[in-house]
Amino acid sequence: GQSLEQPSEVTAVEGAIVQINCTYQTSGFYGLSWYQQHDGGAPTFLSYNGLDGLEETGRFSSFLSRSDSYGYLLLQELQMKDSASYFCAVRVSYNFNKFYFGSGTKLNVKP
Amino acid sequence: GAGVSQSPSNKVTEKGKDVELRCDPISGHTALYWYRQSLGQGLEFLIYFQGNSAPDKSGLPSDRFSAERTGGSVSTLTIQRTQQEDSAVYLCASRDSLGTDTQYFGPGTRLTVL
Repeated sequence: GQSLEQPSEVTAVEGAIVQINCTYQTSGFYGLSWYQQHDGGAPTFLSYNGLDGLEETGRFSSFLSRSDSYGYLLLQELQMKDSASYFCAVRVSYNFNKFYFGSGTKLNVKP
Repeated sequence: GAGVSQSPSNKVTEKGKDVELRCDPISGHTALYWYRQSLGQGLEFLIYFQGNSAPDKSGLPSDRFSAERTGGSVSTLTIQRTQQEDSAVYLCASRDSLGTDTQYFGPGTRLTVL
């Protein structure tokens, strides 16, 4: 079977740094993506890692270690608007047929 | 430009009725995905279209679920003889064909089966 494990909930204070981990066991691996979803909203793409290492996009960074089947999303300088659910997703096929998503991590940012 | 749109935004139906959910992808996006999201859960892959073809239907939960795409654009997800366990948010996403993983999601259809 396919599994992606994420913590269910994380709480942090405004201005802090938080890391959301994702470990995966899938039949194939062609990249790890992260999405943000506010309550009642649509998921929006944040970042993608196809190779090992760190990708940085503004306050958000994402890391991948394929040998450890592990990745994380790092959010810096947390703002109240970052309160949302964050999902990791793995592409399991070469031709973009299928993606598996984790169950999501609810991030609560407190003042 | 316009994003992915879905209709209806909300649908309440009685058990046993058929429902149709519609997705309008971003213009020019050849890849289209349907997902189901139950309350507080992750996204469950249902089906993928490349153009009008569905090379992967493995995620459809039962034969009550079907989907089609016409003209390489609009897609319809049909659920026949709805059951209470079908209640969920159904999300559609489209993707550019240029080899990127980025999916653009619509706002979803919240389906409630009474």
